[in-house]
Amino acid sequence: GAGVSQSPSNKVTEKGKDVELRCDPISGHTALYWYRQRLGQGLEFLIYFQGNSAPDKSGLPSDRFSAERTGESVSTLTIQRTQQEDSAVYLCASSITGPQYFGPGTRLLVL
Amino acid sequence: AQSVTQLDSQVPVFEEAPVELRCNYSSSVSVYLFWYVQYPNQGLQLLLKYLSGSTLVESINGFEAEFNKSQTSFHLRKPSVHISDTAEYFCAVSEIGDKIIFGKGTRLHILP
Repeated sequence: GAGVSQSPSNKVTEKGKDVELRCDPISGHTALYWYRQRLGQGLEFLIYFQGNSAPDKSGLPSDRFSAERTGESVSTLTIQRTQQEDSAVYLCASSITGPQYFGPGTRLLVL
Repeated sequence: AQSVTQLDSQVPVFEEAPVELRCNYSSSVSVYLFWYVQYPNQGLQLLLKYLSGSTLVESINGFEAEFNKSQTSFHLRKPSVHISDTAEYFCAVSEIGDKIIFGKGTRLHILP
C-alpha cells in the first residue's frame, strides 16, 4: 500500500514568512510524528499525535511552531515568521504499534 | 521517561571488518527497540526491530542486534561490512504505548 507522503518536497521561503507543511500518514496508523533534521544532524522530535489524545508538543522549539491533525489522517505543521535557523528537512512518520514509517521529508530553506 | 544514548557519533571501519554500533537506553518499563538507517541523501528506513520474543534480531542485509535487558543495551553488529553500508544509523526506543525516541545517530564510515 501507499507509504507516508509529504508535501511539498522542497520549499524555499523568505525570512519572516509563514510556511505550512503537509503529511499524509499510512491509512489506519493512529500515531503521527513530526521531526526536524538539520544538515548533518540527528532527528529532533517536534510533536506526536496518538489517536484522539492530546498531542505531545514537548519538542516544539518555540511558539512559532504549531501542528494539527484531523482525526487519524492528514497533519499540517505550520511555522510562523520563519527564521534562517528553521532551515532543515522536516520529517513525518506514522505508526500503529511498533516501528514508525517515515515520509521522504520536506526540505525547507529560509533565505 | 525513556532516553537513548549512542555513544559514538562516528565509527570508521575497514571494509570486510566487523563493526559494532553501541546503543544504550534508559527506561523503567518494557520497551520496543529499533535501528533505523539513513543512506546518503535518502530518507530513514527501518533496519530491524525488537518487540518481544527472541532477543537476537536480524536484518536482511546481515546486521543483527541483541536486546540485553540487564545492560539496557541494543547494540548493532555486522561481522563483515561492505562499502554500501556507509550510512548513518539511529537507535530508537519506545515504552509500549508511548512515543518513539531516537538517539543522535552514529555515522558509519567504511574505509577501503
